[in-house]
Amino acid sequence: GENVEQHPSTLSVQEGDSAVIKCTYSDSASNYFPWYKQELGKGPQLIIDIRSNVGEKKDQRIAVTLNKTAKHFSLHITETQPEDSAVYFCAASNDYKLSFGAGTTVTVRA
Amino acid sequence: GAVVSQHPSRVICKSGTSVKIECRSLDFQATTMFWYRQFPKQSLMLMATSNEGSKATYEQGVEKDKFLINHASLTLSTLTVTSAHPEDSSFYICSARQGGGYFGPGTRLTVL
Repeated sequence: GENVEQHPSTLSVQEGDSAVIKCTYSDSASNYFPWYKQELGKGPQLIIDIRSNVGEKKDQRIAVTLNKTAKHFSLHITETQPEDSAVYFCAASNDYKLSFGAGTTVTVRA
Repeated sequence: GAVVSQHPSRVICKSGTSVKIECRSLDFQATTMFWYRQFPKQSLMLMATSNEGSKATYEQGVEKDKFLINHASLTLSTLTVTSAHPEDSSFYICSARQGGGYFGPGTRLTVL
């Protein structure tokens, strides 16, 4: 099955700086790569996703890049704000089941 | 984005009792829903795939007789934890796909 690895496990950034989270996947058949933000006691919220026919996607301060050859994808958050503090999960899917990374706890220091 | 709801958000029960959790897709029809379990500071673990009108598909190591899943309509799936024990205490989250994968707000189950 699919194996998704996520790094780093924790990330502390100064407000206004950028945050980058990286994930790798093992199954070359995976074609859908969503990113989720989870706040304490809540369900994961889809923040951005990318499909395998696209190399990069951006939505305001959030961007995701995908390198299918290397089987890795990354989340970039620019101009971080305190409300960006949360746990972020990457996932990979072949249009059916999602396989999740272990998560990254992001702390934005004011 | 698509909206998925769960009920209840929190439940406390005594050991040996059964608990039912509902998952609804509010603005779209979902032939397939997914049930996850999440322990503190850990990632989401897929328990089972709920298929409308047919039997659920369980992941390896998940007891189908303990975690009963029913997907009676295109907008509702239920997870029943039978004969709950303290080790079943966890955060249960459902998900439905409409293009992207959307998650419910989760149900915190505490078994005393």
